[in-house]
Amino acid sequence: GNSVTQMEGPVTLSEEAFLTINCTYTATGYPSLFWYVQYPGEGLQLLLKATKADDKGSNKGFEATYRKETTSFHLEKGSVQVSDSAVYFCALSGSGGANSKLTFGKGITLSVRP
Amino acid sequence: DTGVSQNPRHKITKRGQNVTFRCDPISEHNRLYWYRQTLGQGPEFLTYFQNEAQLEKSRLLSDRFSAERPKGSFSTLEIQRTEQGDSAMYLCATGRSSSTDTQYFGPGTRLTVL
Repeated sequence: GNSVTQMEGPVTLSEEAFLTINCTYTATGYPSLFWYVQYPGEGLQLLLKATKADDKGSNKGFEATYRKETTSFHLEKGSVQVSDSAVYFCALSGSGGANSKLTFGKGITLSVRP
Repeated sequence: DTGVSQNPRHKITKRGQNVTFRCDPISEHNRLYWYRQTLGQGPEFLTYFQNEAQLEKSRLLSDRFSAERPKGSFSTLEIQRTEQGDSAMYLCATGRSSSTDTQYFGPGTRLTVL
């Protein structure tokens, strides 16, 4: 079945540091890939998505590229801010397209120090 | 604000009692999903509806769980004879049945079974 593996956390960075959060996946077919974010006290929000190989999703300075050859979708940001402190989840959709059920990784907590 | 609402936001119950949660989707969304999230884990798929039809149920969904979406709008998730292991955040997400659309999550209902 489908699965998503995220790097172990938590991650603590200083403001303006470079961020990479690793995500690899196992799936049949051609899933779409997502990063969701959960800010303290709030619900899950879509951060970015990519629906086919080599697509790059981007939003709020975050980027992730769908790499089929390495089955990865690593999240990056060049300069993090305190307001980026949150829990980040990598997810993939089933083979029925981007609106099929989602399979999530465990999530990783990011804390950014001023 | 994603537009998906869930009620109640918190529910505390005693073991053995029945509980029911409600999800109201974004109005034009015909797909509705239920997920469960336990502490330190990502959300896990439970079931989904397209309009009023329940199209898939996870093996996680025991016989004590039942979900309905009677008119293809709001949905309810009922847990009968609750157990302490049912304590979790129950998330509802909705979307359109196009292949590239996104799921929008509600704030969740946190269930605590004493």
